[in-house]
Amino acid sequence: DADVTQTPRNRITKTGKRIMLECSQTKGHDRMYWYRQDPGLGLRLIYYSFDVKDINKGEISDGYSVSRQAQAKFSLSLESAIPNQTALYFCATSDGLAGVVGTQYFGPGTRLTVL
Amino acid sequence: AQKVTQAQTEISVVEKEDVTLDCVYETRDTTYYLFWYKQPPSGELVFLIRRNSFDEQNEISGRYSWNFQKSTSSFNFTITASQVVDSAVYFCALSEAQDPGGANNLFFGTGTRLTVIP
Repeated sequence: DADVTQTPRNRITKTGKRIMLECSQTKGHDRMYWYRQDPGLGLRLIYYSFDVKDINKGEISDGYSVSRQAQAKFSLSLESAIPNQTALYFCATSDGLAGVVGTQYFGPGTRLTVL
Repeated sequence: AQKVTQAQTEISVVEKEDVTLDCVYETRDTTYYLFWYKQPPSGELVFLIRRNSFDEQNEISGRYSWNFQKSTSSFNFTITASQVVDSAVYFCALSEAQDPGGANNLFFGTGTRLTVIP
C-alpha cells in the first residue's frame, strides 16, 4: 500500500463550488505539505503543517484553506473554486524535525479541473 | 533569496546514450540540502536523492550519478545508458536549514523533460 494517498485522484468541478482534497499518510511523519503544480512553473507551496496544532501559509495560500484532522490526515479546501485553480495538487510528508531538514515524500497527486 | 534553475527545458536522447541534467542553485545559507525528484508520465513524484551542503562526494546509484560542486553552485544529474523508462520530468530542489519560517520548505526548479527515444 502507498505511504501517502490522495483522494480524489481526478476531479472536475464548476466555478464557485467548494471542494476538498484529502491526504492520508502511514509514514508516521509530523510534517505535511500541500503543493500545486502548473505547467512550466514547477511546484509551489500552498500550506504546511508541523503538527495538528501548527498550520502555516505557504507561497500561494490565497483562495485555499487547510485542516489537519490528525497526524495522518491533512485536507486542502477550495472554498469557491475558480478556473485558475486548475492544476495538479500534491500532498507531501517529511521526516524533518525542528532544525533538521527532512526528505519530502509525495502522494500520487490530484488533478483538479475547474470549469 | 533561494532559487533553483534548470535551464534545460526539454532534452531528447536516443536509448543507450548518456545524458546530463543541469541544476544550478542560489542560497545564502551555509547549510542546505539538494534533492532530485522524477515525475514519470503517470504523474507521481519519486524521490531520487538528497545531498547536504557539507558532502561534496559524488554519488552513484546504478545508472544514475550526481555531481555536486559548491564552487559552481551546481548539482547535476547524469543518467548512463539511458532507457525508455527514464523518460520523465526531473526536478531539482533546494531546502535551507535556516529557513526563516522554520519549515525547511522545498524550492523547486521548473523541471527538465527528458525523452528517451527507442
